[in-house]
Amino acid sequence: DAKTTQPPSMDCAEGRAANLPCNHSTISGNEYVYWYRQIHSQGPQYIIHGLKNNETNEMASLIITEDRKSSTLILPHATLRDTAVYYCIVRGTGGGADGLTFGKGTHLIIQP
Amino acid sequence: DGGITQSPKYLFRKEGQNVTLSCEQNLNHDAMYWYRQDPGQGLRLIYYSQIVNDFQKGDIAEGYSVSREKKESFPLTVTSAQKNPTAFYLCASSKNTGGFNQPQHFGDGTRLSIL
Repeated sequence: DAKTTQPPSMDCAEGRAANLPCNHSTISGNEYVYWYRQIHSQGPQYIIHGLKNNETNEMASLIITEDRKSSTLILPHATLRDTAVYYCIVRGTGGGADGLTFGKGTHLIIQP
Repeated sequence: DGGITQSPKYLFRKEGQNVTLSCEQNLNHDAMYWYRQDPGQGLRLIYYSQIVNDFQKGDIAEGYSVSREKKESFPLTVTSAQKNPTAFYLCASSKNTGGFNQPQHFGDGTRLSIL
């Protein structure tokens, strides 16, 4: 699976959109981009994933650049409960079930 | 509600003792996983199972054992051979469609400490 690079921490004001960047310049054509978040002392929570097209669900939007070398997770109206560590993960195709490779992620702090 | 249940939430182990962490899911998922997380670090894969009665070693399997006798259950045993077992243990599951377009969903973890 390709390696990802994320900023270690970010701040965002409550009510504003939080935009979390991720670089994955070595991503292969069939690798998916996944986003998870982890609130302290809890298990990671799945947010969204995508392959080539932008994706949106009830939690967030995922914007993937045309060359697929980077992506941005957007939380449209951040609340204090969105304070967490956010992980960007690239996961390859090939069949079977293997694990997710979690890096250190971005610690997003929502300021009141 | 469907989900993944890990128990206990906190567990203490004496030196030289084996302990077993429970993971149960009612999502009808085929694949299940065990991860370990150390403070300030990402998750590392211990074992995974794609189907009943079959499992594979992950990146850090030494000192751990698993079984998969039922689809909904994937217990992890931390043996006395694991010299540094203090960590946060996470179980996950996913549909197994032969590709990587299915997210893994996690339980709330078990925190293991050595007495």
